[in-house]
Amino acid sequence: DQQVKQNSPSLSVQEGRISILNCDYTNSMFDYFLWYKKYPAEGPTFLISISSIKDKNEDGRFTVFLNKSAKHLSLHIVPSQPGDSAVYFCAASYSYNTDKLIFGTGTRLQVFP
Amino acid sequence: KAGVTQTPRYLIKTRGQQVTLSCSPISGHRSVSWYQQTPGQGLQFLFEYFSETQRNKGNFPGRFSGRQFSNSRSEMNVSTLELGDSALYLCASRLSGGEQFFGPGTRLTVL
Repeated sequence: DQQVKQNSPSLSVQEGRISILNCDYTNSMFDYFLWYKKYPAEGPTFLISISSIKDKNEDGRFTVFLNKSAKHLSLHIVPSQPGDSAVYFCAASYSYNTDKLIFGTGTRLQVFP
Repeated sequence: KAGVTQTPRYLIKTRGQQVTLSCSPISGHRSVSWYQQTPGQGLQFLFEYFSETQRNKGNFPGRFSGRQFSNSRSEMNVSTLELGDSALYLCASRLSGGEQFFGPGTRLTVL
């Protein structure tokens, strides 16, 4: 049973525009959510996180939104740059202090000029 | 500060063999976790170690085991390798709560 889902396997966006990556989860016990970016042959790189007590967190060009009632989170990248082209994973955990992350299946983002 | 390092980066084994993978966390990080990435199952949690104790374990058979040393370095072992164990094995470390920092992974191919 996939508890964290990223229903869009790929997304193509023009440079300078907004990229919106979506993630849905089924377990209401999840308390902490993260987004990672992954290039081929590299480990995931942490981007941004959000606690369940918040509904928005910003860090530079990256903003994560959390809608607990809909069990949905999204990552906005504004403006998108070609270097953002990678696979993006959302992940959830039961608490800020646990290492066990449940990952989504990933969305491949391509930013074209 | 150096990142998480994993050795070896690539490994080829045959069915039935066993393998040991190594992970050195970021200096000062005491928590180490292991994940398996496959095309079919995605990224799946294997286990988590803190101060040489396993704190959490994912849904993997007993052929998968790990340990952590007093210097926080960790190893994972897979015995009696199967074709389905071919994957990218990722190690992550962190200081306490919050985000985990991943290493580049070990690509294991089982023939």
